[in-house]
Amino acid sequence: DVKVTQSSRYLVKRTGEKVFLECVQDMDHENMFWYRQDPGLGLRLIYFSYDVKMKEKGDIPEGYSVSREKKERFSLILESASTNQTSMYLCASSSTGAGYYEQYFGPGTRLTVT
Amino acid sequence: SQQGEEDPQALSIQEGENATMNCSYKTSINNLQWYRQNSGRGLVHLILIRSNEREKHSGRLRVTLDTSKKSSSLLITASRAADTASYFCAGIQGAQKLVFGQGTRLTINP
Repeated sequence: DVKVTQSSRYLVKRTGEKVFLECVQDMDHENMFWYRQDPGLGLRLIYFSYDVKMKEKGDIPEGYSVSREKKERFSLILESASTNQTSMYLCASSSTGAGYYEQYFGPGTRLTVT
Repeated sequence: SQQGEEDPQALSIQEGENATMNCSYKTSINNLQWYRQNSGRGLVHLILIRSNEREKHSGRLRVTLDTSKKSSSLLITASRAADTASYFCAGIQGAQKLVFGQGTRLTINP
């Protein structure tokens, strides 16, 4: 059974802290994605990666960075957490192949920054 | 940028009734997908319809696509309590990037 796991379901951090959100997939997928989900705004893409050590900005990259040192792991980093980064963070992965566009999602991390 | 806009934003029906959700999108797409999200959880892929298809079925799901109107609809027949969830449409941009709408929150009342 395919699986995307995220390091925490719930996380509470203080303003100014550096925050790491980890995502691991066991499907040997080339592509990995980080989204944030906010009420009324749907899912917005923060960063994505097509390959190891490769990253591309999504629609809202400001205040975030990412790291992909291994194929199965994609980390989202909040360099200095702020209250407006309180949100649900969702990681996803997909395979690069003709016609393969389905994304597999992790359970999400609900981050609260106080 | 939001690709899809779902309509309605919220829908409440009785168990056994059919539920129809609509999605409009702004730019050309290669395919359109529908996802379900149970409360506080990740998204689950339901169905994909390609730009050269007009209708697709999967169990109790029926999806239509009208590329001339840039719209899609998701029909769930004979709804069940377990169908209570939020439903999102998403269009592909480029090779693998999905752009999601804001979602329709569906409530099935027993």
